[in-house]
Amino acid sequence: AQTVTQSQPEMSVQEAETVTLSCTYDTSESNYYLFWYKQPPSRQMILVIRQEAYKQQNATENRFSVNFQKAAKSFSLKISDSQLGDTAMYFCAFMKHGTGGADGLTFGKGTHLIIQP
Amino acid sequence: EPEVTQTPSHQVTQMGQEVILRCVPISNHLYFYWYRQILGQKVEFLVSFYNNEISEKSEIFDDQFSVERPDGSNFTLKIRSTKLEDSAMYFCASSEGVQGEAFFGQGTRLTVV
Repeated sequence: AQTVTQSQPEMSVQEAETVTLSCTYDTSESNYYLFWYKQPPSRQMILVIRQEAYKQQNATENRFSVNFQKAAKSFSLKISDSQLGDTAMYFCAFMKHGTGGADGLTFGKGTHLIIQP
Repeated sequence: EPEVTQTPSHQVTQMGQEVILRCVPISNHLYFYWYRQILGQKVEFLVSFYNNEISEKSEIFDDQFSVERPDGSNFTLKIRSTKLEDSAMYFCASSEGVQGEAFFGQGTRLTVV
């Protein structure tokens, strides 16, 4: 079974600053996917960014980028030029590369990110 | 933009009653999921569904739970004989392929009293 650990329950930064959310995971799988999901107060889960473990290049989506260190089993999320709308819970998630079964996501406990004006 | 829709948004039920949570996945998606989030805790996988049968399920998904795709659009989660600890936010999700991005609904808040 895999586990996902987010060691920062809450973080607070000023608007326009850069913030990094940490995530580590444990798995015996060699092929898998990693995700960051955002959950704003509306409670809907929104995909922020996705990384395939077989890709060495770190994924980037506009202001969001990841630092994927496969050997260290680390997958941090960097948010540049943070905005008030980035205030939300952020969940790191793992999904193994299945061979047919629709495996679910394994989530971390989340980091509550607060962007201060 | 297509989205996953869940009804109701909030359901209150008496302990011991049965509840059915409903979801309409995105129309061309083939894989469907239910997740649970107890207040203040992480999101937990319950079950996945493909080709009209359960594909994977977690240890949480015991005999109290069942899923069904009764027609071409709805995907339901039935909880029999609800317990207080079933109170949680229940999220439905769907994906186009087994490795595709999972799109989540807005959730159903279930309160068991």
